[in-house]
Amino acid sequence: AQSVTQLDSHVSVSEGTPVLLRCNYSSSYSPSLFWYVQHPNKGLQLLLKYTSAATLVKGINGFEAEFKKSETSFHLTKPSAHMSDAAEYFCVVSETGGFKTIFGAGTRLFVKA
Amino acid sequence: NAGVTQTPKFQVLKTGQSMTLQCAQDMNHEYMSWYRQDPGMGLRLIHYSVGAGITDQGEVPNGYNVSRSTTEDFPLRLLSAAPSQTSVYFCASNRKGLASSTDTQYFGPGTRLTVL
Repeated sequence: AQSVTQLDSHVSVSEGTPVLLRCNYSSSYSPSLFWYVQHPNKGLQLLLKYTSAATLVKGINGFEAEFKKSETSFHLTKPSAHMSDAAEYFCVVSETGGFKTIFGAGTRLFVKA
Repeated sequence: NAGVTQTPKFQVLKTGQSMTLQCAQDMNHEYMSWYRQDPGMGLRLIHYSVGAGITDQGEVPNGYNVSRSTTEDFPLRLLSAAPSQTSVYFCASNRKGLASSTDTQYFGPGTRLTVL
């Protein structure tokens, strides 16, 4: 069975400082992993995805994530936060070749000026 | 392309009423799915379809029905609305299996449903 755990419900950073949003997953198969962002009252936008190619995945808006099989983690990072990054972020797992996706509960990122 | 469209954007129902949430996509995607989003719980899969005439249950299917008569449309029916179904509903589509490095799941703008 698949599952995904986002380790922090809220993260607060100052503008210009690094961002780390943590995600651990469980999957019986080789997983595909995704990060989505949702701005207030908006739909979901794909930030990046891992599908068994390079373990370091670069996404949009300067975000990247590293797939670590030994740690079953897929943490999202950004070197320097911007005010526009304030949003909710979701880590998602889908078994390779499958269709069903499992969403994490989400991490709300606050960015202070 | 309009992408994934959903109607209505907002809806208020009374307990026991029925209604259909509409979802359409113009990208010729085989896969479509419905999610509900509740605070602190992320998105949970209700039903999904891997092609016209083929549907299956997701994580929280009770109280909802779906059908897929065409590639473009994937309506979600609430048979007898309950307050527990108050949520934001998202429809999504993708061309093929999400493990493909070239595939992306596209989400509609959502429908905010309140059941009194």
